[in-house]
Amino acid sequence: AQKITQTQPGMFVQEKEAVTLDCTYDTSDQSYGLFWYKQPSSGEMIFLIYQGSYDEQNATEGRYSLNFQKARKSANLVISASQLGDSAMYFCAMREGRRSSASKIIFGSGTRLSIRP
Amino acid sequence: GAVVSQHPSWVICKSGTSVKIECRSLDFQATTMFWYRQFPKQSLMLMATSNEGSKATYEQGVEKDKFLINHASLTLSTLTVTSAHPEDSSFYICSAWARGTNTEAFFGQGTRLTVV
Repeated sequence: AQKITQTQPGMFVQEKEAVTLDCTYDTSDQSYGLFWYKQPSSGEMIFLIYQGSYDEQNATEGRYSLNFQKARKSANLVISASQLGDSAMYFCAMREGRRSSASKIIFGSGTRLSIRP
Repeated sequence: GAVVSQHPSWVICKSGTSVKIECRSLDFQATTMFWYRQFPKQSLMLMATSNEGSKATYEQGVEKDKFLINHASLTLSTLTVTSAHPEDSSFYICSAWARGTNTEAFFGQGTRLTVV
């Protein structure tokens, strides 16, 4: 069965520093997708970044980059130059199987990131 | 971009009553929508897959008769919590894939349900 593991329940980081949030996954599928979402206290889910299993390059979106190590089954999120507004819950997620409208997303347990001024 | 709208944002109901939560795709059609439940300080747990024009697919352990899902059109899925109890109090959130892609899922704003 597919599984997402986030081993850091909480992290504190000084403003302007870079931070890495860990994520490992387990799947027997060859085709899958990996996501990171940010959830502030309001509850909304904000899409940050996506990495396909066949993508050779690591995904980047502004200050966010995904360190994809396929052999290790890890997909760590790197946030550069952290800001106070980055304080939130961060979820690593995986799309099961091949792309289709019925593909499910499963989530890890999340990491609460707090940025210190 | 694609937007998923969820209503209401919050609701308080009495124990034993039913509550309906709506999830709409505003500028795209969604043949499939997903319903999640999130307890405080926990992750999102998939409850069911809502399929337009057919029965929903429930995850293991989710009571079909308690959480009724209807997907009557390509833009609307509803979740009805029947005979609600305090333990049903939670954050419910829906999602759908942007049309033609599985690289980004859009989420509704979520509904915070409190059963008293």
